Amino acid sequence: QMQLQESGPGLVKPSETLSLTCTVSGFSISSAYYWGWIRQSPGKGLEWIGSIHHRGNTYYNPSLQSRVTMSLDTSKNQFSLNLASVTAADTAVYYCARGVSSISAAGLWGQGTRVTVSS
Amino acid sequence: EIVLTQSPGTLSLSPGERATLSCRASQSVSSNYLAWFQQKPGQSPRLLIYAASNRDGGVPDRFSGSGSGTDFTLTISRLEPEDFAVYYCQQYGSPPGTFGQGTKVEIK
Repeated sequence: QMQLQESGPGLVKPSETLSLTCTVSGFSISSAYYWGWIRQSPGKGLEWIGSIHHRGNTYYNPSLQSRVTMSLDTSKNQFSLNLASVTAADTAVYYCARGVSSISAAGLWGQGTRVTVSS
Repeated sequence: EIVLTQSPGTLSLSPGERATLSCRASQSVSSNYLAWFQQKPGQSPRLLIYAASNRDGGVPDRFSGSGSGTDFTLTISRLEPEDFAVYYCQQYGSPPGTFGQGTKVEIK
């Protein structure tokens, strides 16, 4: 049974880089699917951050594109999110999910990890 | 980007009643790639419907989706106690995928 689990620091200082990892169990991420990140905050609601194809192509939300990097680590069956130059507006619950793309809805989500940006 | 507007903001109903939730897009949704998600407090969203009218695996048949173009509807035929939650629509056919602000279905 496929499962996704986010991990990373819960507190990040302004102007620093937020780094999160999603570990996938029960399925090889290099086999299929898009994998992506979505965040949720009281102010902005649910926001699609971006996705990465199992072959490595990336697609980012234009509003975040200049600050976002996603990558795959197939040896660890993980994919990751880096968001640079964070501000308080980046405070949110971050979810990793399977199937985040322009042709498929997010069919399986991790439990989410809360990230606060504060000094 | 496409803006999705959900209505009503809150729906107060009793178990056994029918719920009708609306999602309107600011422009036509490509290929009717419109999804509905259910979110309960402290949980991540759960996919219910994809491509406007297709139920995801394991979703009870009391949930149905309809619509095309710019107007979409999620119907819950008879509310069960576990259905009281917040529901979001999302269009994913035109990047960036965007979400509606949500409709809360609460117990009357």
